[in-house]
Amino acid sequence: DTEVTQTPKHLVMGMTNKKSLKCEQHMGHRAMYWYKQKAKKPPELMFVYSYEKLSINESVPSRFSPECPNSSLLNLHLHALQPEDSALYLCASSQASARRVTFEKLFFGSGTQLSVL
Amino acid sequence: KNEVEQSPQNLTAQEGEFITINCSYSVGISALHWLQQHPGGGIVSLFMLSSGKKKHGRLIATINIQEKHSSLHITASHPRDSAVYICAVRSIGDNTDKLIFGTGTRLQVFP
Repeated sequence: DTEVTQTPKHLVMGMTNKKSLKCEQHMGHRAMYWYKQKAKKPPELMFVYSYEKLSINESVPSRFSPECPNSSLLNLHLHALQPEDSALYLCASSQASARRVTFEKLFFGSGTQLSVL
Repeated sequence: KNEVEQSPQNLTAQEGEFITINCSYSVGISALHWLQQHPGGGIVSLFMLSSGKKKHGRLIATINIQEKHSSLHITASHPRDSAVYICAVRSIGDNTDKLIFGTGTRLQVFP
């Protein structure tokens, strides 16, 4: 199984809603990533988990809250988002070194297209 | 100036044509990735290179470390190759590596 599965594929939410994005992989990867991608732009790194611990937070606003409950699952909790947060949210996973985040070959999910009204 | 530059930004081709997409970078790297993104979002990793050349089916990727340049070639292009192709370099940092993306090349192959 070489898949990274993201749910839901599409999400529309209001600015007062709370929702969660989910990501799952069963490749034994111990590094998992959240990226945000605006239309016609490259992906921007948000968070990296390595061995279920948050390793990188790219100064993301607190209305985005990541969670890694186990080595196969990665969640992104959303609360009080703004319309400018509308984007494609991509999850990825890779092999990991225990000492540093190495961005070895990444396997990406197909993303969640988020619209904030 | 971006640390990773791709050219061209947009490319159209007729089915069967040979296609080349270029990537230049200005930082020291440990590896370079070529990625493919179809409309609708999903990103697929095509190649990871640290030297030389790799081939997979109709796709060939080369890298010249001294010149800080990589190319992705598609032979006998097909409409299903239409996608955005992204070059990303892995640069080594003090505490963690970084993955720096180029802005992508949008390819359309017409029948």
